[in-house]
Amino acid sequence: AQSVTQLDSQVPVFEEAPVELRCNYSSSVSVYLFWYVQYPNQGLQLLLKYLSGSTLVKGINGFEAEFNKSQTSFHLRKPSVHISDTAEYFCAAGYVNTGFQKLVFGTGTRLLVSP
Amino acid sequence: GAVVSQHPSWVICKSGTSVKIECRSLDFQATTMFWYRQFPKQSLMLMATSNEGSKATYEQGVEKDKFLINHASLTLSTLTVTSAHPEDSSFYICSARGDRGLGGYTFGSGTRLTVV
Repeated sequence: AQSVTQLDSQVPVFEEAPVELRCNYSSSVSVYLFWYVQYPNQGLQLLLKYLSGSTLVKGINGFEAEFNKSQTSFHLRKPSVHISDTAEYFCAAGYVNTGFQKLVFGTGTRLLVSP
Repeated sequence: GAVVSQHPSWVICKSGTSVKIECRSLDFQATTMFWYRQFPKQSLMLMATSNEGSKATYEQGVEKDKFLINHASLTLSTLTVTSAHPEDSSFYICSARGDRGLGGYTFGSGTRLTVV
């Protein structure tokens, strides 16, 4: 069965420091990858997605992610975080065997930015 | 573009009653809608997938008679939690996908259900 792994349940970081949130997915011939952000008691907001093409994907709020097929990873990065980036971040994947219909979510990483 | 409105944002109901949650795509036609459940500090668990005009496909372990899903039009899907119990208390989120190509998922803002 397909799976998405986010190894870090929580990542504390100081404001203006760089951050990387890790995501690994189970290998597949074809996969679409997403990063979402969730603020308390809210739905999910798309940060960025990889469908095809360039492996470096730039998203909103200064985030970017790199698709690495050999390592089956899609890590999220930001060079300088703000207090307002404190939130829960979910990595998700869509697989070809479900017609890319369903998304498989990771367990989430809570990013805690402190002054 | 691509806005999904979910209503209500929160609801408190008595045990044994039913609660309906609406999910509307405001500026696109949602051929497929997804309903998720999220427990505190956990990830999203897909409950069911619904296509307009057909019966929903439920994930394993989800009681279809308890969680009734209706996708009667291309812009509206509803989730009804029937005979709610305290263990049904959770955060429910819908997601809609239209014809904007693969990868076009838009999420609603979620509904916090508390059953007392």
